[in-house]
Amino acid sequence: AQTVTQSQPEMSVQEAETVTLSCTYDTSENNYYLFWYKQPPSRQMILVIRQEAYKQQNATENRFSVNFQKAAKSFSLKISDSQLGDTAMYFCAFMKLSGTASKLTFGTGTRLQVTL
Amino acid sequence: ETGVTQTPRHLVMGMTNKKSLKCEQHLGHNAMYWYKQSAKKPLELMFVYSLEERVENNSVPSRFSPECPNSSHLFLHLHTLQPEDSALYLCASSLQSGGGSTDTQYFGPGTRLTVL
Repeated sequence: AQTVTQSQPEMSVQEAETVTLSCTYDTSENNYYLFWYKQPPSRQMILVIRQEAYKQQNATENRFSVNFQKAAKSFSLKISDSQLGDTAMYFCAFMKLSGTASKLTFGTGTRLQVTL
Repeated sequence: ETGVTQTPRHLVMGMTNKKSLKCEQHLGHNAMYWYKQSAKKPLELMFVYSLEERVENNSVPSRFSPECPNSSHLFLHLHTLQPEDSALYLCASSLQSGGGSTDTQYFGPGTRLTVL
């Protein structure tokens, strides 16, 4: 079974600064996907970024980028130029590839507060 | 707006009531999921439907009964619930392609359920 660990329950960052959220996972699979989702106070779960394990290049989406270290089973999220709207719970998730349906395993989340 | 809608957004019910949660996706996906999100716990996968067939049931009590009449709609029928079933219930959908990049899950806004 896969496990996903987010060791930072809460973090705070000032507006315009950079913050990095940590995530580690445990799996015996070689092919898989990793995701970061954000859940703002509205409770809507929103996809932030996705990384395919077979790709060596780190994924980027505007101000969001990841540091994917496959050997270390680490998948951190960097948010640059933080904005107030980035305040949310951030969940790291692992997806094992399956022929029938994709199944996500989530971490417990990191609550990020962006302050003025 | 992710293309996945859920109704109702809030529901309060007694332990003897029968109610249903509805999820609809407008993304042309062929797999749908129910998750339970309780306070201070990781998201728990409850049910998975792929091509309208249930492919996963993660030891969910029988008081939760899913129904997937077509690839766009998913229901969760509730009866004789317990107070510990109070949680946010999230629906998601994805396009199953045998492991391609379109396996990303997109979530609805959730139904906040309170069982009295």
